[in-house]
Amino acid sequence: SAVISQKPSRDICQRGTSLTIQCQVDSQVTMMFWYRQQPGQSLTLIATANQGSEATYESGFVIDKFPISRPNLTFSTLTVSNMSPEDSSIYLCSVTQGMKTQYFGPGTRLLVL
Amino acid sequence: GDSVTQMEGPVTLSEEAFLTINCTYTATGYPSLFWYVQYPGEGLQLLLKATKADDKGSNKGFEATYRKETTSFHLEKGSVQVSDSAVYFCALGGNNRLAFGKGNQVVVIP
Repeated sequence: SAVISQKPSRDICQRGTSLTIQCQVDSQVTMMFWYRQQPGQSLTLIATANQGSEATYESGFVIDKFPISRPNLTFSTLTVSNMSPEDSSIYLCSVTQGMKTQYFGPGTRLLVL
Repeated sequence: GDSVTQMEGPVTLSEEAFLTINCTYTATGYPSLFWYVQYPGEGLQLLLKATKADDKGSNKGFEATYRKETTSFHLEKGSVQVSDSAVYFCALGGNNRLAFGKGNQVVVIP
């Protein structure tokens, strides 16, 4: 399976600031996704990162709050904008490889004070 | 829409005990089914999967069988170890979208 890395692995941020999370894959992949895992909760899909076009956002998530870039088939970024304590979560990227299988990065643990 | 239901609450058991975590699903079509594991402080790792009815996924002593008649994908392990302590997520879907259950924390006591 693909090796997926994320930067930063964790961060503590002040409210009102923005943080950009990077996701790097060691091979070209078609589908890349961003998920949020709030404390003690399951995963919620934020958006699908599309190469060469705007991301496709799920209900409840908007581009102004979570802008996403996908400049090529191995890299994507997610920005969490104008953060509030409610944005404290683990943010995970995932990719699809093989038959309908998603593989996840190690996650970025974000705490907003 | 597609959804996954996992049994409520954490699971605490002794080393070498038998583990079962129930997972049932609602879906249109024929989704793939997955179990992911999240060890403390880490991301999600794919534990096993099944892509069609009656398929059995297995890995690291864990097993789950895709039961279309009962819409279930229960996870089992015959003899757990302390190192199996983690959160286990059942999921369904595929290329475009995964629907996750709420997860079950498993604590194995020596």
